[in-house]
Amino acid sequence: GENVEQHPSTLSVQEGDSAVIKCTYSDSASNYFPWYKQELGKRPQLIIDIRSNVGEKKDQRIAVTLNKTAKHFSLHITETQPEDSAVYFCAASSGNNRLAFGKGNQVVVIP
Amino acid sequence: DARVTQTPRHKVTEMGQEVTMRCQPILGHNTVFWYRQTMMQGLELLAYFRNRAPLDDSGMPKDRFSAEMPDATLATLKIQPSEPRDSAVYFCASGLVLSEGEQYFGPGTRLTVT
Repeated sequence: GENVEQHPSTLSVQEGDSAVIKCTYSDSASNYFPWYKQELGKRPQLIIDIRSNVGEKKDQRIAVTLNKTAKHFSLHITETQPEDSAVYFCAASSGNNRLAFGKGNQVVVIP
Repeated sequence: DARVTQTPRHKVTEMGQEVTMRCQPILGHNTVFWYRQTMMQGLELLAYFRNRAPLDDSGMPKDRFSAEMPDATLATLKIQPSEPRDSAVYFCASGLVLSEGEQYFGPGTRLTVT
């Protein structure tokens, strides 16, 4: 089955700087790659996603890039703010509408 | 703003007791997922329904866990008997078959088994 790995496990950035989280996946058949943000005690929230027919997608301060050849995709957060502090999960479709999730990255934005 | 709802939000129970968690998927969604989240294991898929039919429950301990969808607006996850190792946050998520992979999570049920 699909295996998704995230790096680094924890990322600290100064407010205003950019943060980048990278995920790798194993199944070349995966065609959908969402990112979820989970604040402490809250539900994972879908913040951005990308399908395999595009290489990049942007929504205000967040963007996702996909490299199908290398089987990795990344989340980019620009001009980070304290409210961006959370755990971010990447996932890859693994057939039959299922998702395989990474273990999550803790992002800490230092004011 | 349509959202997945779950009840109860918190549950504390003693070992051996039955626990039932409920989920109302977003109206019109036809896929429902149950996940368990712990610090050690992250998000684990327990069960998956499509058009109310169970498609995959391989992640669930069969001897004590059961998942059902009595109708399109209700999914249930039961643990009987509960054990301390079942303590976790249980999330329900829903989506559409045609929107491959898109899933929206409920607020979760935080279960503590003492």
